[in-house]
Amino acid sequence: GAVVSQHPSRVICKSGTSVKIECRSLDFQATTMFWYRQFPKQSLMLMATSNEGSKATYEQGVEKDKFLINHASLTLSTLTVTSAHPEDSSFYICSASRQIAGGEQYFGPGTRLTVT
Amino acid sequence: GQQLNQSPQSMFIQEGEDVSMNCTSSSIFNTWLWYKQDPGEGPVLLIALYKAGELTSNGRLTAQFGITRKDSFLNISASIPSDVGIYFCAADNYGQNFVFGPGTRLSVLP
Repeated sequence: GAVVSQHPSRVICKSGTSVKIECRSLDFQATTMFWYRQFPKQSLMLMATSNEGSKATYEQGVEKDKFLINHASLTLSTLTVTSAHPEDSSFYICSASRQIAGGEQYFGPGTRLTVT
Repeated sequence: GQQLNQSPQSMFIQEGEDVSMNCTSSSIFNTWLWYKQDPGEGPVLLIALYKAGELTSNGRLTAQFGITRKDSFLNISASIPSDVGIYFCAADNYGQNFVFGPGTRLSVLP
């Protein structure tokens, strides 16, 4: 149990366009979902936390108007990178938790975004 | 903010050897987690620890939640080539402060 999927796994887009990444919990209801960004050879950097039906909480330094997060249901969260620039190229990973009060996070396989 | 330190940063071992790595913090946490990440993949949860002093095994992996609640270690016995990857510790306080360590990169030589 506790499987999380992401789609797409890889995406290439042109500067100025928007890209949407989906994160789904396949076999459990996720009260909280998280979005991370990871640069090569570095640890995961938390971008935002979202609970179903409420606005996401963004970490300091993360532009909420650029990285739009929607947590429409207990099994789906989406991250939209708006007006993408080459510096937005990165590995984006989502995770999901069954509990509001913390505990284990189960990660998706990640999405490799390349902005040309 | 709260940070986790992992050591060693990287390690090269021979196949069949045992591995030990640890994770420390200056802050107290109530949950400690160990993940493994393969290249181009998301982290996979290996072991979750919820109680100070708890010792938990998952196959060849053993992890302990430190008594002080400020550290945890992960041991891998009889390493095999597929153990290669980056091992991250993570810690949490009731969902308020989920933090990741910088990772320990493990290489296994045949």
